[in-house]
Amino acid sequence: EAQVTQNPRYLITVTGKKLTVTCSQNMNHEYMSWYRQDPGLGLRQIYYSMNVEVTDKGDVPEGYKVSRKEKRNFPLILESPSPNQTSLYFCASSPRGSYNEQFFGPGTRLTVL
Amino acid sequence: RKEVEQDPGPFNVPEGATVAFNCTYSNSASQSFFWYRQDCRKEPKLLMSVYSSGNEDGRFTAQLNRASQYISLLIRDSKLSDSATYLCVVLNTGTASKLTFGTGTRLQVTL
Repeated sequence: EAQVTQNPRYLITVTGKKLTVTCSQNMNHEYMSWYRQDPGLGLRQIYYSMNVEVTDKGDVPEGYKVSRKEKRNFPLILESPSPNQTSLYFCASSPRGSYNEQFFGPGTRLTVL
Repeated sequence: RKEVEQDPGPFNVPEGATVAFNCTYSNSASQSFFWYRQDCRKEPKLLMSVYSSGNEDGRFTAQLNRASQYISLLIRDSKLSDSATYLCVVLNTGTASKLTFGTGTRLQVTL
């Protein structure tokens, strides 16, 4: 089944404790991205990747890191999480870019205490 | 002013009703437009793209008005299963193509 998977789905952590949210897609898509969704603000892009070893900042990259060592995986890293990073996070992929349909993962609900 | 603005709703309509949502965008150079559907606590999924001439997919009709910078979504014969949040999405191309999501309009279809 063609899909985007994210892990974990739910995470409660404490300020400053490094964490990684994994994202994997099995559709051989070149383009992958991370969004956060907050009430009243909609989906905002954190980082995106046009292809392996190519990543770039989105609208709200502060406090986040990403890497794209393999085509299928695009992990999101929070080196020192803070409470303002409490949010619902979505990973998305598409064949070649923003103009293609975006396929979203199921979401990761993160709470930073 | 937000780049993409939607009425958050909720729109409460009975089954069988026709309902329409509008979405306005601020960048006149915006290239492409989409409607995504998001069920409660789930991921967004593409509902339909919006073409310049307007397009229809079953009970759903999307329209684009470039002069007034808005897009619309019309749902005819509403079903209970149409209850969801509808996200307006605008693509701006330039040095980097960028998708901007509206905050969504919530629809609740009732018996």
